[in-house]
Amino acid sequence: DAGVIQSPRHEVTEMGQEVTLRCKPISGHNSLFWYRQTMMRGLELLIYFNNNVPIDDSGMPEDRFSAKMPNASFSTLKIQPSEPRDSAVYFCASSLRLAGSYNEQFFGPGTRLTVL
Amino acid sequence: AQSVTQLGSHVSVSEGALVLLRCNYSSSVPPYLFWYVQYPNQGLQLLLKYTSAATLVKGINGFEAEFKKSETSFHLTKPSAHMSDAAEYFCAVSDLTGNQFYFGTGTSLTVIP
Repeated sequence: DAGVIQSPRHEVTEMGQEVTLRCKPISGHNSLFWYRQTMMRGLELLIYFNNNVPIDDSGMPEDRFSAKMPNASFSTLKIQPSEPRDSAVYFCASSLRLAGSYNEQFFGPGTRLTVL
Repeated sequence: AQSVTQLGSHVSVSEGALVLLRCNYSSSVPPYLFWYVQYPNQGLQLLLKYTSAATLVKGINGFEAEFKKSETSFHLTKPSAHMSDAAEYFCAVSDLTGNQFYFGTGTSLTVIP
């Protein structure tokens, strides 16, 4: 298996621009998670989906952030408009959710976002 | 509610010395516990996991961790540090569904030659 795939790996943009991060989860996994990692705040869960449905988006910082999962093999995290404080590494993770069992999360390599 | 606390954001050990990274959890129900490692410019990789089976869990690269309910701890150890162990280590706790993952703030391990 190719693992969780994220694109782009690096993104540099200017303040005010729209940024779209992409994630392809492991085939067969039914849960997908978006995290943000910064030096100041560590690893934060932004949102997660079960069976393509957003379950908990309480970690999404503000309305400038939105996430979608149109199908089981693709998700996007969009920031519009972007701000310098959004600069971070964004990780996508996926897992197979089964009733009554733990669900190890598998992480992608991350997208390093720099907003100038 | 669940949470984890990692004591010590930075730990330095000499090559060949014992590695001990501390993690304490808070959970109202028996949790699942995990240690992840993050090498520079890479994503998180699972080192080991505890899922209510044996309390001493062995993971990859010679690491192991012991679940101690009485101490609400899940400390990570390795008998002899190697230079390649230098990385960021994260402890995490989840509920029984695994959908809520709570990560600690991480511990950066430096190995001194």
